[in-house]
Amino acid sequence: DTGVSQDPRHKITKRGQNVTFRCDPISEHNRLYWYRQTLGQGPEFLTYFQNEAQLEKSRLLSDRFSAERPKGSFSTLEIQRTEQGDSAMYLCASDGSAGNTEAFFGQGTRLTVV
Amino acid sequence: SQQGEEDPQALSIQEGENATMNCSYKTSINNLQWYRQNSGRGLVHLILIRSNEREKHSGRLRVTLDTSKKSSSLLITASRAADTASYFCATVFNTGGFKTIFGAGTRLFVKA
Repeated sequence: DTGVSQDPRHKITKRGQNVTFRCDPISEHNRLYWYRQTLGQGPEFLTYFQNEAQLEKSRLLSDRFSAERPKGSFSTLEIQRTEQGDSAMYLCASDGSAGNTEAFFGQGTRLTVV
Repeated sequence: SQQGEEDPQALSIQEGENATMNCSYKTSINNLQWYRQNSGRGLVHLILIRSNEREKHSGRLRVTLDTSKKSSSLLITASRAADTASYFCATVFNTGGFKTIFGAGTRLFVKA
């Protein structure tokens, strides 16, 4: 297992287009998190899954954002009708079930909306 | 708003000096973690301290936790230029599952 992987690493899209990002967590981890990070800021929580269940979704997340983890393994984050304000780094992380474990982060997907 | 807030926002020191970063949070936590991020890269876990622990060491890192004050500090001793990065505290708390929330970070610059 090479850790958490995210695809693509970079995405440039035109405003109004839909984009989808994929995250493959570490295989034995049942919790998966999505964060958004803008320049000079810390990661901002978007949503997280325990297995295939989406346990929480940030109120900051508009209806244009949706995330899935259909089989409790990989996850996708879709942004519909992208806006320039969606430009950011989207980070995925996973950790184990005990609660007292570190989260492992992927390298992120950098989205630029033009 | 973010659960954790780091202080200072930015810190510039000479190589060999110690760097201290502080983190305050708002609600009861399960544990607190510190992460490091080099520019444009992913986050790397540094150290985890549980809510019933008061101090933890890992190499040149020392973390303290004061749950009565809802604060933590990260000390990097004998800093090196390679320690230049952003450092984030992350609080983990139980909302039915375990949720991790990050602060805005401290940007550390170590001058050679």
